[in-house]
Amino acid sequence: GAGVSQSPRYKVTKRGQDVTLRCDPISSHATLYWYQQALGQGPEFLTYFNYEAQPDKSGLPSDRFSAERPEGSISTLTIQRTEQRDSAMYRCASSLYSASGTQETQYFGPGTRLLVL
Amino acid sequence: KNQVEQSPQSLIILEGKNCTLQCNYTVSPFSNLRWYKQDTGRGPVSLTIMTFSENTKSNGRYTATLDADTKQSSLHITASQLSDSASYICVVTLYGQNFVFGPGTRLSVLP
Repeated sequence: GAGVSQSPRYKVTKRGQDVTLRCDPISSHATLYWYQQALGQGPEFLTYFNYEAQPDKSGLPSDRFSAERPEGSISTLTIQRTEQRDSAMYRCASSLYSASGTQETQYFGPGTRLLVL
Repeated sequence: KNQVEQSPQSLIILEGKNCTLQCNYTVSPFSNLRWYKQDTGRGPVSLTIMTFSENTKSNGRYTATLDADTKQSSLHITASQLSDSASYICVVTLYGQNFVFGPGTRLSVLP
C-alpha cells in the first residue's frame, strides 16, 4: 500500500474485555514496530518484528499484551483483560530492514485510539 | 527538508571519552522532545524527555539540553562505555499527538 494503515481508528471497550488492533505496513518493509503513546507524550516502544521474528518485546508492559506477525506482513496487537490504564494511542510503524543495524526511517500509521471504560 | 535533523550521522569515540550529539528541529509548537537509545536488534528506549520550558534533563551519564529559541537539543554522554554503542534518536512530539523522528546518530565506542 501507499502507507501504513491501522484499524480500527478508534476503539471503545469495557474494562476486562480483550481488544485486537491491526497494522498493515508498507508492503516492502520487513521491520514493524508497535508503540504506545499517552496523551501529550511521545511514543513508548512496545515491540518490533523483523519479518515474522520478534527480536524484542521488552516494552510490552505486562503479559496481557501480545503481538503477532505470522506471515511477516500484517501485525496484530492484542490486549487481554483491558484496564483503564491501557487507554492510549497505539501507533504502528514500518521500515526497511537493516541487517547492519543502522537505523532506517520509520513510517508511522495514523494510530488506534483506545479508550477503556 | 527534514523537520528533525541530527548530527553527526555517525561517530566513533574511545571508551571513557565524552561526546555530544546534536538535534535541530523546525517543527513547532511541540509538547516535548525525547532522546532515545536504540541498540542493534532492539527497540528504542527513552533516555530523556523535556518539555519546551525545560533546559536540561539528566539520566545517569546522559544529559540532554534544550534551547527552544534556537530549536536545538543536544545529548551529552559522559565517560562513555562500550555499551553506549547504539543509535541515538531525537523525537519531537507535537501538540495533537503527532511526532517526528530524527534520522539518528550512530555511535560506536571502541575499547
